[in-house]
Amino acid sequence: DSGVTQTPKHLITATGQRVTLRCSPRSGDLSVYWYQQSLDQGLQFLIQYYNGEERAKGNILERFSAQQFPDLHSELNLSSLELGDSALYFCASSVESSLAGVEQFFGPGTRLTVL
Amino acid sequence: AQSVSQHNHHVILSEAASLELGCNYSYGGTVNLFWYVQYPGQHLQLLLKYFSGDPLVKGIKGFEAEFIKSKFSFNLRKPSVQWSDTAEYFCAVNARGGNKLTFGTGTQLKVEL
Repeated sequence: DSGVTQTPKHLITATGQRVTLRCSPRSGDLSVYWYQQSLDQGLQFLIQYYNGEERAKGNILERFSAQQFPDLHSELNLSSLELGDSALYFCASSVESSLAGVEQFFGPGTRLTVL
Repeated sequence: AQSVSQHNHHVILSEAASLELGCNYSYGGTVNLFWYVQYPGQHLQLLLKYFSGDPLVKGIKGFEAEFIKSKFSFNLRKPSVQWSDTAEYFCAVNARGGNKLTFGTGTQLKVEL
């Protein structure tokens, strides 16, 4: 158990819908990272938040957004869902904003299926 | 931009065989390097990491990796695999001082009894 929790574990929804994925980082970690793992794209970095502020952006679609709340949990919002958004979404956390000398701890993931 | 290549997508070994998984990265600056493992149905776990110092790093469960700067490589090795090593292995790189991990496409390892 990494200490990072994600809910829900599984999510099945229809095209065009909107969903929210939730992540709670390890106690004491200020950074939260979101990744998407799909068969065709592999594991891709989406976005990072540090202590409530966006710090880095990766291959995140405009239909997707995220935020980190004062209690440091984070939510990833996916809207206007398409079939291709079906994937495993991982959250990771680390202590600092930069990875210099610091590792990321991954949550169990949320498997999203868009029908 | 940094990128990571893992050349072996699927590897099948018998128990007690030696393992070497290739990983090459593309980035001109200083990097941190990682190997993560994902057992079936589980989350990513860190096997080992390299930040600086001795280029031969030892991780958990008998794994080790060697950073060869001149070859931009960080290959993962284990002298004798076990059935329980069946998993997917990901190499990842982070530009020193950067904020994101770039992962390779992963290598699916199956160890047969």
